Amino acid sequence: DTGVSQDPRHKITKRGQNVTFRCDPISEHNRLYWYRQTLGQGPEFLTYFQNEAQLEKSRLLSDRFSAERPKGSFSTLEIQRTEQGDSAMYLCASSLATGNNSPLHFGNGTRLTVT
Amino acid sequence: QQQVKQSPQSLIVQKGGISIINCAYENTAFDYFPWYQQFPGKGPALLIAIRPDVSEKKEGRFTISFNKSAKQFSLHIMDSQPGDSATYFCAASMGYSGAGSYQLTFGKGTKLSVIP
Repeated sequence: DTGVSQDPRHKITKRGQNVTFRCDPISEHNRLYWYRQTLGQGPEFLTYFQNEAQLEKSRLLSDRFSAERPKGSFSTLEIQRTEQGDSAMYLCASSLATGNNSPLHFGNGTRLTVT
Repeated sequence: QQQVKQSPQSLIVQKGGISIINCAYENTAFDYFPWYQQFPGKGPALLIAIRPDVSEKKEGRFTISFNKSAKQFSLHIMDSQPGDSATYFCAASMGYSGAGSYQLTFGKGTKLSVIP
């Protein structure tokens, strides 16, 4: 499968714990995005990388959230001191930078449950 | 502030019928309008997209109609099939011209059920 891969698919954690998610984009894609989706809502933009540079961050991305893309390939999203309100599906997407608005290809997400 | 409003929230259509989902946007800087289809447990998948210099785009059974003056666009699914049952999201971004953000702003989604 050459699509966007996310790991783990599901994560259950206790409030206050730290969690880290990984995203492997489509290999030739140099843009990588993180979105969050809660039940019954559309995805909400969190942050965006072009290669290893984090170019945009949403106001939704509190200081408990940090994302990295160290070598311009895979990315990690870490949530520190998780809260119940962090429970959501975290989606990663990637696209090519060869043209404006080249389509975003989404992974199947990591579902986080904070108890 | 919700910048993209989508309706209806849910839709039930008989097999062979036409499904119509509507979206309205506020930000006139948006210049790219995709529709995504999402099945349970899966990420959204791009269905079809349009730019504001075009009033209609058709791909197979899927058509986007775009009304720039009204700031509205809609998805029409012709000959709807049970396999089309999914949640559909409209979205918008300012990135097409390269001058704005590539982030997509999504509507809240429409759950479509196509009954045999």
